[in-house]
Amino acid sequence: GAVVSQHPSWVICKSGTSVKIECRSLDFQATTMFWYRQFPKQSLMLMATSNEGSKATYEQGVEKDKFLINHASLTLSTLTVTSAHPEDSSFYICSAPGQSEETQYFGPGTRLLVL
Amino acid sequence: GEDVEQSLFLSVREGDSSVINCTYTDSSSTYLYWYKQEPGAGLQLLTYIFSNMDMKQDQRLTVLLNKKDKHLSLRIADTQTGDSAIYFCAETLWDDKIIFGKGTRLHILP
Repeated sequence: GAVVSQHPSWVICKSGTSVKIECRSLDFQATTMFWYRQFPKQSLMLMATSNEGSKATYEQGVEKDKFLINHASLTLSTLTVTSAHPEDSSFYICSAPGQSEETQYFGPGTRLLVL
Repeated sequence: GEDVEQSLFLSVREGDSSVINCTYTDSSSTYLYWYKQEPGAGLQLLTYIFSNMDMKQDQRLTVLLNKKDKHLSLRIADTQTGDSAIYFCAETLWDDKIIFGKGTRLHILP
């Protein structure tokens, strides 16, 4: 079946550096992908909608200059956390709707730890 | 392995109650969630329940958790056309990993 992959699954970085997270749809194309973050012991929070060929749509309160999203192709969206700080440490998950939009495929998530 | 299952479709008449069911396999879950996804939009948190609770009510929403049977349900009272959406059940495990079900599409009949 359809699969969404994320890379890397784990990343540790120093404060002030930028980190890029990739989300790929395998075996299907996704014109839209969603990016979420999850704080420890909390629920998932939608950050933005990534649109192939156009700008991402950010949820209220999410800094678009901080979290850069690029939907480079129909199978790849990237989230770059710029100038990362410890408070950006979180679990980032992407998802992509299936062909019928009746389903949503989730990536396995990327755990980011900023020291 | 970890798995969350839910039925794919549910049709309910407007004004009736909707009950969406979910089963999970991992007993180490800490929180269980219900998310709502409207067409073309991302998931939005609807409600959640901590694993040591068995019921939570929030206006028209009632969440029931049977930990022994690993069964979670979401009841929507007085279902309205605006409730038409896909509802995802999810659990977080002891290591904060989140597992989602495939979603239940709720269709409202007039």
